[in-house]
Amino acid sequence: GENVEQHPSTLSVQEGDSAVIKCTYSDSASNYFPWYKQELGKRPQLIIDIRSNVGEKKDQRIAVTLNKTAKHFSLHITETQPEDSAVYFCAAPIATGKLIFGQGTTLQVKP
Amino acid sequence: EPEVTQTPSHQVTQMGQEVILRCVPISNHLYFYWYRQILGQKVEFLVSFYNNEISEKSEIFDDQFSVERPDGSNFTLKIRSTKLEDSAMYFCASSEASGITNEKLFFGSGTQLSVL
Repeated sequence: GENVEQHPSTLSVQEGDSAVIKCTYSDSASNYFPWYKQELGKRPQLIIDIRSNVGEKKDQRIAVTLNKTAKHFSLHITETQPEDSAVYFCAAPIATGKLIFGQGTTLQVKP
Repeated sequence: EPEVTQTPSHQVTQMGQEVILRCVPISNHLYFYWYRQILGQKVEFLVSFYNNEISEKSEIFDDQFSVERPDGSNFTLKIRSTKLEDSAMYFCASSEASGITNEKLFFGSGTQLSVL
């Protein structure tokens, strides 16, 4: 079926620590995995994405890893800062093309 | 940087009334979407639109909903007879190609719909 599971639902870290959010997907045909950051009352903003032909992608303090065999992918934020506090959503497309979103992770970075 | 724009930002309506939410996708994009987000919940797919017709719709997108691309730039979502449970943030999105072909989805700033 169409499903993207995301964990944890909430995550609280100290400033400077790392944060990891994990997602699993069900459609083995999925080949594109974006992560969105949503600040309160704002639109989801694409922060990083990975395509199925690579296992890892990094952009400064943000990285995404993909394990196609296990059908899961993770967002890694290093050296977290208070401005990283937001809701993060993973997503994966299903065969018809629509993006299915995970349930979201509320990240709180404590100064 | 090009953006998806949505109007209005807020819409308050009485139950049973019709509302039209408007969107202007990014100009060179070919795929258009409506998603909604009930407060505190995840972003849910409503409908996708390509080549002037609906590509796919979810269970949420029942007969009360319709979409239209009345001209070359606007993309609208109409809810014919609003219900209390339609209250949500509605996001329009567009992409150059469909998600399965690895194209980025760009969201508008949303319309907060409140049905009283």
